[in-house]
Order: sequence, then structure tokens, then C-alpha cells
Amino acid sequence: GDSVTQMEGPVTLSEEAFLTINCTYTATGYPSLFWYVQYPGEGLQLLLKATKADDKGSNKGFEATYRKETTSFHLEKGSVQVSDSAVYFCALSKGGGSQGNLIFGKGTKLSVKP
Amino acid sequence: DVKVTQSSRYLVKRTGEKVFLECVQDMDHENMFWYRQDPGLGLRLIYFSYDVKMKEKGDIPEGYSVSREKKERFSLILESASTNQTSMYLCASRNNRGRKNTEAFFGQGTRLTVV
Repeated sequence: GDSVTQMEGPVTLSEEAFLTINCTYTATGYPSLFWYVQYPGEGLQLLLKATKADDKGSNKGFEATYRKETTSFHLEKGSVQVSDSAVYFCALSKGGGSQGNLIFGKGTKLSVKP
Repeated sequence: DVKVTQSSRYLVKRTGEKVFLECVQDMDHENMFWYRQDPGLGLRLIYFSYDVKMKEKGDIPEGYSVSREKKERFSLILESASTNQTSMYLCASRNNRGRKNTEAFFGQGTRLTVV
């Protein structure tokens, strides 16, 4: 079945360090890909998304590129801040209606130290 | 702004009780979801609904049921609560009329403890 695999955490970085969180997927067809972020004590919120191969999603300095050849959607940020400390989830979706489920990875906890 | 509201942030129930978790969304979304979040296991789908009175089992439906009598409301029911159902429960909704790239909106979660 369809699935999402992301690197296990926790990831601890110093402020201004470069961040990469790996995400790969297994799915038939052409899914849409998402990164969600969960700040402490809150629900998930969309960080960025990409709909087709070679699309780049970006938001708040974060970027991810939809790579169909490697079935990957790695999250990157050039310079992290303490306020980026959160749990990050990679997800995919294949359709609407009864196929409208979002499939999530297990999440990667990021801690950024001053 | 889209709002997904879960009825309780924290809930403590006794083993064997019937528990209702309520979720309401205000954006006329077709799809609604219940997830369970546990450390090291991420988000696991319990049930989702793609229309009023329509539901699909997710990955871990055992011990749970759902109800969607109105489009804006999706209820999760624990028929007989057990301690292994102690968890964080997240509700989400999504406008998904045949499209795969729409955003899901989440509630703030209900932390359920079964004692």
C-alpha cells in the first residue's frame, strides 16, 4: 500500500544551521505531497505542498522539491531559528472523495538551540 | 479563517465508559478525519468521512466508531474505553471535491486519558 517514510528524530541543531529532513514515499499514480508542522501544544498546520514532479513548494524559508525519479520530497531550510522547533510531518494524497485520505509519515522532531 | 474545533482539550475517563469526541468545522468541507497521535508512531488514521453518513475505516478502527449526521460535525465514539486508548486525538477537515492537492485543517487535539 501507499506509505511515507521520513527520517527519525529527534534532530537537534544550533541556530542558523542548515536543516534537511528526508522524506520518501511509495505510491501508485501521481500523488500530491505535503509538509505539515506541529508546534508544541497545537494541531498540525500546512507548511508547504507540491502537486507534480519537479514542483517546488516553499514557505517561511523552508523548501521541498517533488522528485519523482527518487520518490522523495526532502524538507530544507538554510538557516534555522529557535522558533522552528516543532515536529514536522511529510504526507501524501492521491485523490478526492473516498480516496481523499492523507497518509502521514511518523514525524521528525526538531529542536533548535540558541 | 477555517476553523476546526474539538470539543475538549483534555478529557479523563474511566475504563469501560462510552466516550464521545466531537469535532466541528465551519468551511463546508466534504472530508473529515480522526487521527490518533502517539510518540514514535506518528499520526494513525482511525476513520474518515467523505460525505454525510459516509465513512471509511482507517488503519486502526478497532474499538472506535464514528458518526456524521451533519456535514459540519464528525464524532468519534469509544464504545468501551480502555487504557490503551489513552492518546492525543486529532480531527481534521478538507475541501476535496475530486482534488488531491487541497490542504487539510486540524483542530488543536484532545488529550484523552483513560484510567
